[in-house]
This record gives sequence, C-alpha cells and structure tokens, in this order.
Amino acid sequence: GAGVSQSPSNKVTEKGKDVELRCDPISGHTALYWYRQSLGQGLEFLIYFQGNSAPDKSGLPSDRFSAERTGGSVSTLTIQRTQQEDSAVYLCASQGAREQYFGPGTRLTVT
Amino acid sequence: QQQVKQSPQSLIVQKGGISIINCAYENTAFDYFPWYQQFPGKGPALLIAIRPDVSEKKEGRFTISFNKSAKQFSLHIMDSQPGDSATYFCAVSGGTSYGKLTFGQGTILTVHP
Repeated sequence: GAGVSQSPSNKVTEKGKDVELRCDPISGHTALYWYRQSLGQGLEFLIYFQGNSAPDKSGLPSDRFSAERTGGSVSTLTIQRTQQEDSAVYLCASQGAREQYFGPGTRLTVT
Repeated sequence: QQQVKQSPQSLIVQKGGISIINCAYENTAFDYFPWYQQFPGKGPALLIAIRPDVSEKKEGRFTISFNKSAKQFSLHIMDSQPGDSATYFCAVSGGTSYGKLTFGQGTILTVHP
C-alpha cells in the first residue's frame, strides 16, 4: 500500500519568505507527527496531531511555525518569515498501532 | 537533558561481521523501543522494535537486546553486509509522551566488502 508522502521534496527559499510543507499520511492513521532533522540537533519532535487536533505543539521552535491538519488526513506545516536556522529536513510520520512510518522528508534550504 | 544516549557515533565493520549499537535511556516510563535505519536522502525506516516485557527480539539478521534494569538496549546486526551501510537511530516513547519519539543521536555504520 501507499506510504507517507511529502511535498515538495526540496524547497529553496529566501530569508523572510513563508513556506508550506505538505504531508499525506497513510490512509486510516489518526496520529501524525512532524519532526525536524538537522546536522546539529539530530531528529527533533515538532508537533503531534490526533485527528485534526494538536494536543502537543511543544516542539515548535517559535511562533513562526504553525501546522494544521484537515479531514483527519493531510497536514501542512507553515513556516513564516523563514530564517537560515530553519534550514533542515522536515519529516512527517503517521502512526499505526504503535509504529511510526516516516515520509521521505522535505529538504528546506533558506538562503 | 539528553533522554537517550546512543553509541558509538560511527562504526566500521567488515562484511560478515557483527555490528553492535547501544542506547541508554533515563525514564523508566518508556515502554516502546524502536530502531530506525536511514539511507542518505531518505526518511527513517522502522527496522525492529521491542517492548520491555521481553529481553530479546530477532527479525532475520537484526536482533534487539533489552536490559530493563540497566535501562539499556542494543541493536545487533549479524552477518553485516555492505547494503547495511546507513545511519541507525534508536528511539524511545511511552509514559507521558504517548507516541512521541525521542531519538538517539545516530550511528553511521559502514560495512566494508
């Protein structure tokens, strides 16, 4: 069956611009997570969705970061006024019983 | 506070050898311990996972050993192959953190032919 998909695969943006990253989870998975992977910080949790609600946003680095999920499916991570330190790979994972399955990620480069 | 400590940072093994990666955790409430394999340019892929009610789990050439009292778990790759060359991450979840994964820093494994 289809796995987790993310788009775009690569995004280059100028400092100060807004970006939107999309995640399509595995069909039927109600739990969805966003993580960030960078050289200095490893894999970090950003936000957790259960259905369309986000009971844990504790990993979002600043108020420039927001995320939403609609229809219990697609999720969008938005970064406003991007900064160079936002450059990283943004990973989405959807959860079955306990296992989390990751998408291929979006590589964000802020110039 | 680093909740999961993974070692070594890098590991070089000859083809056919055994690769061993270790992780130690702090919080005894964790109850799910997966290992992920990541190739360059790809997302992490779930390799194998264990719950604390068993001390060992084996899937093919991959084995997790779990020591609850020491709060440690390890990944053993038997008969290592060049195709196993990748970055491996341990992770923990459970307790108050529901399914949220906290990852180790990763181990870069290189298997020489």
